[in-house]
Amino acid sequence: GAGVSQTPSNKVTEKGKYVELRCDPISGHTALYWYRQSLGQGPEFLIYFQGTGAADDSGLPNDRFFAVRPEGSVSTLKIQRTERGDSAVYLCASSLAGAGNEQFFGPGTRLTVL
Amino acid sequence: ELKVEQNPLFLSMQEKKNYTIYCNYSTTSDRLYWYRQDPGKSLESLFVLLSNGAVKQEGRLMASLDTKARLSTLHITAAVHDLSATYFCAVESQGNLIFGKGTKLSVKP
Repeated sequence: GAGVSQTPSNKVTEKGKYVELRCDPISGHTALYWYRQSLGQGPEFLIYFQGTGAADDSGLPNDRFFAVRPEGSVSTLKIQRTERGDSAVYLCASSLAGAGNEQFFGPGTRLTVL
Repeated sequence: ELKVEQNPLFLSMQEKKNYTIYCNYSTTSDRLYWYRQDPGKSLESLFVLLSNGAVKQEGRLMASLDTKARLSTLHITAAVHDLSATYFCAVESQGNLIFGKGTKLSVKP
């Protein structure tokens, strides 16, 4: 079946602009995760949804970052007033019912803030 | 705070030789994952290790987990060019994954 999909694959924006990144998880996966991967580093956890609610948002770096999952399926990561340091690949993953289940990753969105 | 360390960070391998990469983590966890990432691509799951002493093998790769030592190893047998990639280990912590910095492998003839 279809894997995790993310759109757009690439996003170039200017400093100070607002961006939205979308993730469509594997059908039936109730858990959804966002990670950020900077160049040459491993992915860093941002936020985890179980169903519609954010079960853990402790990885969000500051209040410019926000994520929603209103119907328990598609999720949108929103970044306000983007900064050059936000440039990274944003990865989404999904799994069955949370902790202990394997996470499957999407192709990522490469965000470049000029 | 859980920390995950991989070493080496870079490994230049010769074809047909054997190598091991190491993943140490700082606090108790019973779940460890190995992923492969090709340049510009996402993460491909290789192994999920769920218990102490777990050993899994797929082709030329074999992963093991020692939860008492907080150590996992990824052993490469008779390296071939198509194994060139970056390999990450990740440890589960409260449902999230904490990743190491990755080990970049390149195989030279």
